[in-house]
Amino acid sequence: QKEVEQDPGPLSVPEGAIVSLNCTYSNSAFQYFMWYRQYSRKGPELLMYTYSSGNKEDGRFTAQVDKSSKYISLFIRDSQPSDSATYLCAMDGNNRLAFGKGNQVVVIP
Amino acid sequence: EAQVTQNPRYLITVTGKKLTVTCSQNMNHEYMSWYRQDPGLGLRQIYYSMNVEVTDKGDVPEGYKVSRKEKRNFPLILESPSPNQTSLYFCASSLRGQYTEAFFGQGTRLTVV
Repeated sequence: QKEVEQDPGPLSVPEGAIVSLNCTYSNSAFQYFMWYRQYSRKGPELLMYTYSSGNKEDGRFTAQVDKSSKYISLFIRDSQPSDSATYLCAMDGNNRLAFGKGNQVVVIP
Repeated sequence: EAQVTQNPRYLITVTGKKLTVTCSQNMNHEYMSWYRQDPGLGLRQIYYSMNVEVTDKGDVPEGYKVSRKEKRNFPLILESPSPNQTSLYFCASSLRGQYTEAFFGQGTRLTVV
């Protein structure tokens, strides 16, 4: 089993829809959970990070962590065409970041 | 402006010809790392450095070397590139470790023929 699993399937949604992304992980040592956004031909940039189980909101973005289930989620409300990007989950452990494979999200106007 | 700068952005080279990809950050970050990004495999860490003169292997270090002689620079060296090293490479830096925000460079697209 890979340390971090993120179904890399592309996701197309109409503008205004809620985007739901998730990752599962197997390493109980992971303590910090992050979501990075990567636009085409750019490096990833940090979108949100959380430390403990629970929810964290930042504008239209909500990150959820359930450590008991080893499951994290990212929700994007009222999605906009500018949200079209690849979203990668990442988790820290043992001095390195372990990334999911990323989800390409396309928001259709 | 806070940034991580990689050079070159694009490189085509031949098998066996040594090359260096430079990485420089202007944020006085202690932690720097190199990743490669491949379709279907995501981002994988090659090497990381927790401070000057301290480097360690990541998940896929074979065929790569790094050095950290000064805080701001962390070059990636391919002594004898092979076609399976064709990839998109990213350098990243963060203040203290992975649990603080990692800033990524713009990427270097390397093709080895």
